[in-house]
Amino acid sequence: QSALTQPASVSGSPGQSIAISCTGTSSDFGTYNLVSWYQLRPGKGPKVIIYEGSRRPSGVSNRFSGSMSGNTASLTISGLQPEDEADYYCCSYVGSSVWIFGGGTKLTVL
Amino acid sequence: QVHLVESGGGVVQPGKALRLSCAASGFTFSHFGIHWVRQAPGKGLEWVAAISYDATNEYYAASVKGRFTISRDNSKDTAYLQMDSLGTEDTAIYFCAKENTVMFAFDIWGQGTMVTVSS
Repeated sequence: QSALTQPASVSGSPGQSIAISCTGTSSDFGTYNLVSWYQLRPGKGPKVIIYEGSRRPSGVSNRFSGSMSGNTASLTISGLQPEDEADYYCCSYVGSSVWIFGGGTKLTVL
Repeated sequence: QVHLVESGGGVVQPGKALRLSCAASGFTFSHFGIHWVRQAPGKGLEWVAAISYDATNEYYAASVKGRFTISRDNSKDTAYLQMDSLGTEDTAIYFCAKENTVMFAFDIWGQGTMVTVSS
């Protein structure tokens, strides 16, 4: 199973919206549609911000939203804030208790 | 508060072994699957291994199968990752994570422990 494909970097100014894509094959997403997104800051463990493609855990800002279309999942961050600067990873359950991550996207808030 | 704390990382020579620990607190450890995920320097996250809540099932990424063994001791609220025949490609920060079976996601993570394989 190869890693899911994400852009290496995205950037935006405070207040803007950005989107991060996560592309896989039908075998990565199709059967289960169980994509989660994680925010990773230096020196800290990852934090789940989206699960099941579009659901937000309690306590996560509604500026974070997720969607899926075909073999591509997307994370959108609206109203960018400086503290959103981090690395973002998608992750998919592919069955048989195996999971795969995307290559990660570095978000820079200009 | 809910916590996972990894320990056991360090510098080890190629071909040697190392055992990582993941100590849990603040939740009923024996009810949840535990996973190990790693991040090599400058690279992305890579799922490594998982163990079911009752230790009856173990799962591994192809890159570590046959070399790594995941286990847990529910009486000690601790999971382990035994890493044998280490290679330089295993150099990474190793995180343990709690599986949330409702969310189908990893909802609690430790801060990671660094493993460096070098001669």
